[in-house]
Parts: sequence; structure tokens; C-alpha cells
Amino acid sequence: NAGVMQNPRHLVRRRGQEARLRCSPMKGHSHVYWYRQLPEEGLKFMVYLQKENIIDESGMPKERFSAEFPKEGPSILRIQQVVRGDSAAYFCASSPTGMRADTQYFGPGTRLTVL
Amino acid sequence: TQLLEQSPQFLSIQEGENLTVYCNSSSVFSSLQWYRQEPGEGPVLLVTVVTGGEVKKLKRLTFQFGDARKDSSLHITAAQPGDTGLYLCAGVLYNNNDMRFGAGTRLTVKP
Repeated sequence: NAGVMQNPRHLVRRRGQEARLRCSPMKGHSHVYWYRQLPEEGLKFMVYLQKENIIDESGMPKERFSAEFPKEGPSILRIQQVVRGDSAAYFCASSPTGMRADTQYFGPGTRLTVL
Repeated sequence: TQLLEQSPQFLSIQEGENLTVYCNSSSVFSSLQWYRQEPGEGPVLLVTVVTGGEVKKLKRLTFQFGDARKDSSLHITAAQPGDTGLYLCAGVLYNNNDMRFGAGTRLTVKP
């Protein structure tokens, strides 16, 4: 039973380029959460999605960042015109139900480096 | 300021020692979770506590949820090098069901 999968594991981009991060939830899970982690810090919530719906994007910057979770395929976190401050580890988690108290299972993360 | 304050931020001990790390808040949580994260990996869930005063044991790890559901502690007995990692607490807020993480305690156990 495969866990949460994220790719790529490492992504290097130059300032101004676009970064696309992918997350495939665990089988049977239709709820996906994206978090960002800076060095020596905990995880900061960014966005919560259900298939084809954004449920809560209160933690996501208003500009340059967007997320989707289409009916088919993985969830995508897109960062346009990346800046050095976007360098971080981005983690995706999935849960079987939409209850926030439900256990979230984390992927291995994508480490984004902006040169 | 963090909604969940974890202390200490860093802890370095010798193999065989005992330790306790804390997760404190002024907010009430309907549940609280502890995760362990190793370098280059995602957090792995250790335990979920939901009842005030609850104590859960997982081998050498003992987790306690405060009576008022505002704080929690993790006690490790006879620490081993394999316990090294970042320990994160995360709570689901009672008033709005939002989940928030603490900044973590980075534990190093030296052989």
C-alpha cells in the first residue's frame, strides 16, 4: 500500500522561473494538505484541497502561489516567478476524510532551491 | 509567535538518559499529535491524544495530554541513538478545527 508520494524530491530553479510540485495521496484518500517548512522551523499550513475544490487556502500567499487537485491525477502546488525566499521544503499530506482531526499522512517532501 | 511553543528547541543527550520535551499553548485543542521527522524525510505520526489527562505509551515513549487540553509532554526513557530526530507536536484547535504545528524539538542522542 503505497504512501503519499511527492515529486520531484529536489527541485532547483533560478529566480523568475516556475516551480511545479506534485503530490499523489495515499490510495483511498481524497483530501490533500500542503505545508511549507523552513530550516529549523515547524510546518506552516498553506492550503487544504479536496478533489476539484480548494477548501482552505488561508495559509497560502496571495500572489504567485496556486494549488489544484484535479479529478484525475496528482495535486499540484505551483509557484510562479520564484524568488530566493521560496527556498524551503514543501510537504504534502493526505487524509481519508475531511475532518481536520483526522490523521494526516505525510509525503517525503520536495526541497526547492532557488538560485 | 507560535501558537504551540515547544521546548527545549534543541536537546543533546547521551545514550541511556531520560528526557522530556514539552508542547505548550494558551489555546484549547480537541486533539494533539506528536510526529517525528528525520532529515530529508516527512513527519511520521507517533501518537494522537484526545482526552484531557490522557497518557499513552509507545514502548519507551510516554505521551501525556494536559487536563485542560492546552499542553502535552513526551517522555523518552533510556534514549537510544535511533531516537534522534525532530519531534513535532500538532494540535487541532477546539474552536475552529484548524491544525497547527509547533516548531519542534531537535533531539540528538549520542552513543
